[in-house]
Amino acid sequence: DIQMTQSPSSLSAPVGDRVTITCRASQGISSYLAWFQQRPGKAPKSLIYAASNLQNGVPSRFSGSGSGTYFTLTISGLQPEDSATYYCQQYLRYPYSFGQGTKVEIK
Amino acid sequence: EVQLVESGGGLVKPGGSLRLSCAVSGLNFSNYDMIWVRQAPGKGLEWVSSISSSGTYKYFADFVKGRFTISRDNAQNSVSLQMSSLRGEDTAVYFCATGGYCSGSDCFSAVGDYWGQGTLATVSS
Repeated sequence: DIQMTQSPSSLSAPVGDRVTITCRASQGISSYLAWFQQRPGKAPKSLIYAASNLQNGVPSRFSGSGSGTYFTLTISGLQPEDSATYYCQQYLRYPYSFGQGTKVEIK
Repeated sequence: EVQLVESGGGLVKPGGSLRLSCAVSGLNFSNYDMIWVRQAPGKGLEWVSSISSSGTYKYFADFVKGRFTISRDNAQNSVSLQMSSLRGEDTAVYFCATGGYCSGSDCFSAVGDYWGQGTLATVSS
């Protein structure tokens, strides 16, 4: 099975900051990596697919990069509405697996 | 507008059964694989099961194999998760979401482009 490890588990940054979340796969997954945002009590929302492709309607301050085993999600210019938990997920092979999540708070 | 609406959650005793359903509208349902993901209270997301667009292929997480089944009705645009031999650790919000899809002769790997709002299954005596 493929294990996904995210870091950090939480972070706090002021509005306008640039923040980066990393996601590592225990084996190569090419670009079969998605990023999701989840606000409390809500369903996850897709931000990035295929490692670096922005979903329609997602603000351009979100970007994804990486391939193989190392991936990043960057928020350039943190906004108050970005306060949420972020998850990566691999979908190369079953069982699909998520990272443990990164909670982003606004200072 | 794409909508996924789950139903069927509730309170059930350990060892009991529950059937979750997900009604889908706004997309060509028969072209999409479908997945179920769960989230225990205060915990992260956990993939549970997937079914291919035709219903031919089905996949399950080890922790539900032999206890959960997945099915779909392409005429009714719905997918279901039958949960049996339920345990306390199955208590979670269960989300349905879209998976890979085909458009014409092109097929695309994808996961979670669209999600339902979730339905809570509570297993407790």
